[in-house]
Amino acid sequence: EDQVTQSPEALRLQEGESSSLNCSYTVSGLRGLFWYRQDPGKGPEFLFTLYSAGEEKEKERLKATLTKKESFLHITAPKPEDSATYLCAVQALDQAGTALIFGKGTTLSVSS
Amino acid sequence: SAVISQKPSRDICQRGTSLTIQCQVDSQVTMMFWYRQQPGQSLTLIATANQGSEATYESGFVIDKFPISRPNLTFSTLTVSNMSPEDSSIYLCSGGRASEQYFGPGTRLTVT
Repeated sequence: EDQVTQSPEALRLQEGESSSLNCSYTVSGLRGLFWYRQDPGKGPEFLFTLYSAGEEKEKERLKATLTKKESFLHITAPKPEDSATYLCAVQALDQAGTALIFGKGTTLSVSS
Repeated sequence: SAVISQKPSRDICQRGTSLTIQCQVDSQVTMMFWYRQQPGQSLTLIATANQGSEATYESGFVIDKFPISRPNLTFSTLTVSNMSPEDSSIYLCSGGRASEQYFGPGTRLTVT
């Protein structure tokens, strides 16, 4: 069964304190791995799609990396506005219609 | 990118009634999906909305309970039928292409 596990469930950082969020996945074949940011009361905001091991993508203070079994979302020198829930999702080769399988998310709180 | 809007943004409904949620995309998209997000949980796929044909439902979701229409490449509706308190949730529409999928703001449904 295709599965996505994110850790930690919650992370508290001081402003400027860099850290990483983990997304472990089990799929029969990976079509793509997605990262989203979700603010309270809003829909998920698309961040990145990664396709193959070794691939990296960056956006402002965020960098996503991918291996054959997991992905990391690195947050460099975070600011309070980075506080949100970060969702990881996989798109499996055997998933009809290319829909996404989501993890439960990591809730990040950054204090000044 | 695609901008997705949903109506209504929230509603409180009586047990046994039905609610239709509308999803509008600002550009033509290949794929459209409906997800459910229960409090404190991640997103669960309900169905893939297929343009011009019947939706494809995930295990645990049936057409009689969640009828879906997709008359064109920019619009879809999800109806939650014969509602019970267990249907209280956030319903999210997503659309895009395989490599980039965008979400609407969600419809917060409370069933009393």
